[in-house]
Amino acid sequence: SSALTQPPSVSVAPGQTARIPCEADNIGRTNVVWYRRKAGQAPVLVITFDGDRRSARFSGFTSGNTATLTISRVEAGDEADYFCQIYDISSDQYVFGTGTRVAVL
Amino acid sequence: QITLKESGPTLVKPTETLTLTCTVSGFSVSDNGVGVGWIRQPPGKALEWLSLLYWDDDSRYTSSVKNRPTTAKDTSKNQVVLTLTRVGREDSGTYYCVRQGDSRRRWFDTWGQGIQVTVAS
Repeated sequence: SSALTQPPSVSVAPGQTARIPCEADNIGRTNVVWYRRKAGQAPVLVITFDGDRRSARFSGFTSGNTATLTISRVEAGDEADYFCQIYDISSDQYVFGTGTRVAVL
Repeated sequence: QITLKESGPTLVKPTETLTLTCTVSGFSVSDNGVGVGWIRQPPGKALEWLSLLYWDDDSRYTSSVKNRPTTAKDTSKNQVVLTLTRVGREDSGTYYCVRQGDSRRRWFDTWGQGIQVTVAS
């Protein structure tokens, strides 16, 4: 399965809201989770589709061909690479997004 | 605390077999419902799921790397081993060991730090 499409980078000022899209045909019909990987660290799960989240500042929404991770009240510590992931039940495969680097200005 | 740690060679020659070991702690690889898998990221490319081995020895593999990866677990050592045969330069990248804590929850709740593997002669 082809990787899900994410923009390479997103820049956001501290205190503002970052929105990271993850695109694929009919992704709204699947369940999407998100991971964060800070420089030199292991990736961590930040939000699942059933509401588990690492911080209340993270939220996720999926509809149509786009899933979006929203980070509210962005902090310097949010600088990282963010990846979306789905499980394709028809092929029994796990598929990741291309990754988005969030830069805090 | 749940941790996973990858170990193995960082340099492998083309056509050789790559063997990576994931040593876990804080849970058992035979805990009901648990899966331990491997995900890699080639330089400049997306994360790619490779395999998932469940507590009951059921295994799943990516469809994009045909017949080359296999996984096995050693319950006594709490380890899962990935074997990738006939490696080529396209197999270079960072390899992560991951845990799926519940086979009904199709995501990976804990990742290892990763190990960088280069395929070169």
